[in-house]
Amino acid sequence: EVELLESGGGLVQPGGSLRLSCAASGFTFSSFAMSWVRQAPGKGLEWVSSLSGNGDSTNYADSVKGRFTISRDNSKNTLYLQMNGLRAEDRAVYYCAKEAVTIGDHYFDCWGQGTLVAVSS
Amino acid sequence: DIVMTQSPDSLSLSLGERATISCKSSQSIFSRPNNRAYLAWYQQKPGQPPKLLFYWASTRESGVPDRFSGSGSRTDFTLTISSLQAEDVAVYYCQQYYSAPRTFGQGTKVEIK
Repeated sequence: EVELLESGGGLVQPGGSLRLSCAASGFTFSSFAMSWVRQAPGKGLEWVSSLSGNGDSTNYADSVKGRFTISRDNSKNTLYLQMNGLRAEDRAVYYCAKEAVTIGDHYFDCWGQGTLVAVSS
Repeated sequence: DIVMTQSPDSLSLSLGERATISCKSSQSIFSRPNNRAYLAWYQQKPGQPPKLLFYWASTRESGVPDRFSGSGSRTDFTLTISSLQAEDVAVYYCQQYYSAPRTFGQGTKVEIK
């Protein structure tokens, strides 16, 4: 069974940093692209960033470009999101999502439970 | 960016009724070379992450009840629940993966009357 477990969320001051992690199991992690998708409280879904299976190809939403960095460690079956320069508008539940392909933009066939990031002074 | 617009924003129906959710894209998300529409549907129950229901507009994900169906092409798509059950209470989202950045509709909340 595919499982994705996020961690690392919490309360941070504006301008601060957090690193989210997503531990994956139940599939060949390196064979699939992975993404982060966020959901502000009471709002809809927003794709944030994606990374190819081998880690060579990255994409970012304009809203986070230059502030967030996605990475993965295929030896540990773990996806990361380093978030710097956090703003109030980054407050959201961050979901780790498995892509249906190795590289490229596709649909998300499995989602983690999410981790909440709150930005406040 | 491709804008995805769902209607209605919310839907309140009795058990057993038919639910129809529309999703329109601001440009075609249909690829002629592979004859596919790059559209997915997700269901998000309260307090849970989204769950994939359909991809390629009408391909049902494994385990999704057959009372759910997806259809459409080019810019107009529909998610139908043929007979609404209590467990179908959720917010439903469409998502295009035709071009970057991938974008979602604003969601349609389905409730029981």
